[in-house]
Parts: sequence; structure tokens; C-alpha cells
Amino acid sequence: GNSVTQMEGPVTLSEEAFLTINCTYTATGYPSLFWYVQYPGEGLQLLLKATKADDKGSNKGFEATYRKETTSFHLEKGSVQVSDSAVYFCALLGALTNTDKLIFGTGTRLQVFP
Amino acid sequence: DGGITQSPKYLFRKEGQNVTLSCEQNLNHDAMYWYRQDPGQGLRLIYYSQIVNDFQKGDIAEGYSVSREKKESFPLTVTSAQKNPTAFYLCASSMWQGEGYTFGSGTRLTVV
Repeated sequence: GNSVTQMEGPVTLSEEAFLTINCTYTATGYPSLFWYVQYPGEGLQLLLKATKADDKGSNKGFEATYRKETTSFHLEKGSVQVSDSAVYFCALLGALTNTDKLIFGTGTRLQVFP
Repeated sequence: DGGITQSPKYLFRKEGQNVTLSCEQNLNHDAMYWYRQDPGQGLRLIYYSQIVNDFQKGDIAEGYSVSREKKESFPLTVTSAQKNPTAFYLCASSMWQGEGYTFGSGTRLTVV
């Protein structure tokens, strides 16, 4: 079945450092891929998405490219801020049936220090 | 503004009691979902509904019940049969296949 694997956290960085959070997936066909962010005590917010191979999703300085050949959707940001501290979830939506549901990774906590 | 409203934000339950968590959306979304999140863990699907008057069990439905009498509303009842209900509960909705979900701000349930 479909699955998503994320790197374990926490990821601890200094402000203005480069961020990469790895995400790989297993799926049949061409799923849609998403990154969600969860700030403390809140729900999840959609950060970015990509619906086909080689698409690049971007938002708020974050980027992720849908790589079919490596089944990956790694999240990157060139210069993190303290306000980026949150938990980041990679997610996959299968494309085979209209009953497919979002499948989430386990989340990666990012801690950014001044 | 359109969105999903979950209430209450915090809820305390005595052991043996049933409690109902509210989820309302004004996005005109067809599908709605309930997830459970435990500390330091990912999201687990409890129930979902793709159309009014129909819903399906997710991965951890035991001890929970739902109803979908209106398109806008998808309440979750945590019954006394749920042995470990303390968790953060998230409601979500989506329009159609291929789109991501919109999440509510969550309800934190604590058994006292």
C-alpha cells in the first residue's frame, strides 16, 4: 500500500541556516504530494503541494520538488527563522480511486534558535 | 471567511462518560475526516465521510462514533469504550480528489 517516510527529528538549526527535511514515498501511479506545518497547539496548515512529477511547490520561502525517479519530496528552505519552529508533515494522496485518503508521515520537529 | 471550526478547544472528561467533539465547516466541502494525534506522533484516521448520511471507519475507529446528517457538520463522539481517549483531535475537510485537506484548530481531550 501507499506510505510516506520522513526523517526523524528533532532537527535543530541556528537562524539563517539551510533546512532540508527528507521525505520519501511508496505509491502506485502518480500521487499528489503535500507538506503541512503544525505550530504548537494548533491544527495543520497546508504549506505547499505538487501534483505531478517534476512539479515544484513553494510557499513562504519553502520549496519541494516532486521527484518520481527517487520517489522523494524533500522540503528545503534557504534561511530559516525562529518563527519556522514547528512540526512538518509530509503527506501523500493516492490517485487510483476516489476513496483514497491523505497518508501522513510521522512528522519532523524543527527547532530554530537565534 | 471560510474555514473549519472545532469546539471546544479544551475538553475534560471523567472516566466512563461519553463526550462529543464538534466540527463545522463552511467551505462547501463534500468530505470530512477525524484524526487523532498523540504526543510526538503522527496522525491516525478515526472516521471519514465523503457524503451526507454516509461514513467509513478509519484505522482506529473502536471506541468512537460519528454522524453526518448535514454537509457542514461531522461531530465525533468519544465513548466510554475508548480506553485511552486523552489526545489531540483534529477535524479536516476536502473538496475533491487531488486536493489537500483543510484542518480545524483541534480539540485537546483530557480524561480526569
